[in-house]
Amino acid sequence: ETGVTQSPTHLIKTRGQQVTLRCSSQSGHNTVSWYQQALGQGPQFIFQYYREEENGRGNFPPRFSGLQFPNYSSELNVNALELDDSALYLCASSIGASGVVYNEQFFGPGTRLTVL
Amino acid sequence: AQKITQTQPGMFVQEKEAVTLDCTYDTSDPSYGLFWYKQPSSGEMIFLIYQGSYDQQNATEGRYSLNFQKARKSANLVISASQLGDSAMYFCAMREGDRGSTLGRLYFGRGTQLTVWP
Repeated sequence: ETGVTQSPTHLIKTRGQQVTLRCSSQSGHNTVSWYQQALGQGPQFIFQYYREEENGRGNFPPRFSGLQFPNYSSELNVNALELDDSALYLCASSIGASGVVYNEQFFGPGTRLTVL
Repeated sequence: AQKITQTQPGMFVQEKEAVTLDCTYDTSDPSYGLFWYKQPSSGEMIFLIYQGSYDQQNATEGRYSLNFQKARKSANLVISASQLGDSAMYFCAMREGDRGSTLGRLYFGRGTQLTVWP
């Protein structure tokens, strides 16, 4: 076990709704990355947070947004849900220092989102 | 162009045999890192092995080894003495830039489903 937790485990929403997914990083980790994994695909990078600031973003629309809290836990928010948003959402935590992010990313178990 | 290509959607191996999972990558960055992850049906990504672009020797971690051929841009995972518990999806991933780069973004392939049979 990596010590990275995510909630909820599963979620069912309908088109147009909004959803918030949560991630608690491993103790001592100050960086959280979020990935979307559609069925049969590899994970795709959504964005990363380092010390409460967005530190890079993949090719996802603005309706995907995030937050990182002082305890380094993080939220992923998705507005105006679409059917194609159905996927496994993974968060990964890692250690960064002085603007440098190390690469050992430890993944949580994921949240499986179904949009009907 | 795809940064990571895994051409084997599925592989089958008998218990106790060795198996090689293929991965090719595409980058113009001279500094990069290559990773292999295992994803059981539960969904969690489990880190297996890492190879840096400047590492002189192939990485090994227990039963896992990475066959790194830089000129061919390939980073194949070799699992020796397969076990039933090795049945899972395996992903190859790449990070571009130095190990200390600000953004540790990973690019993943589409994965290979490995099935180990008794």
